[in-house]
Amino acid sequence: NAGVTQTPKFQVLKTGQSMTLQCAQDMNHEYMSWYRQDPGMGLRLIHYSVGAGITDQGEVPNGYNVSRSTTEDFPLRLLSAAPSQTSVYFCASSAPGRRTYNEQFFGPGTRLTVL
Amino acid sequence: AQSVSQHNHHVILSEAASLELGCNYSYGGTVNLFWYVQYPGQHLQLLLKYFSGDPLVKGIKGFEAEFIKSKFSFNLRKPSVQWSDTAEYFCAVRGNNRLAFGKGNQVVVIP
Repeated sequence: NAGVTQTPKFQVLKTGQSMTLQCAQDMNHEYMSWYRQDPGMGLRLIHYSVGAGITDQGEVPNGYNVSRSTTEDFPLRLLSAAPSQTSVYFCASSAPGRRTYNEQFFGPGTRLTVL
Repeated sequence: AQSVSQHNHHVILSEAASLELGCNYSYGGTVNLFWYVQYPGQHLQLLLKYFSGDPLVKGIKGFEAEFIKSKFSFNLRKPSVQWSDTAEYFCAVRGNNRLAFGKGNQVVVIP
């Protein structure tokens, strides 16, 4: 298993540009989520999904969209990038079953800089 | 919504010293508790987790944590640290389909 994969690893955007961060997992996990990590802030939940076709907002959803058309993929879209979105983005997934979201497995992260 | 507090954001200690990182959470329902570690330049890895049963949980690399329900705490300990334990440590609590993280403890172990 490849686990949780994220692309790209690094990205530089200009203010106002849009882009999609890709996340995929091959563990048949129903639950997937996106976090952003900023110095001194820990990880903050952006959006999450409990299964294909179901998404919900986390703690800091503004400026981001997600969709979950398949179990494997959970892309994160930045609609109009802003410098405040400069961060490291982590995707995570966890085991099947809606009631027992156990250990989350994290991807390697995408380091995004918005100029 | 649940929240997590971690104290002493920056910790510097010498090899062989003991480490204890505090974690307090707030959540009204049944919680699952985690400690994650992030080594420099790497992604988060699970150190240990608590769901139920014995409140003293043992994890990888000699780490352990104790769940004290009355104090809403889940403190992480290691009796003797090594230089390779230099990392950032995050406490997390899961409730209501969400995993909330603390702000982390940056631990530096001096050889």
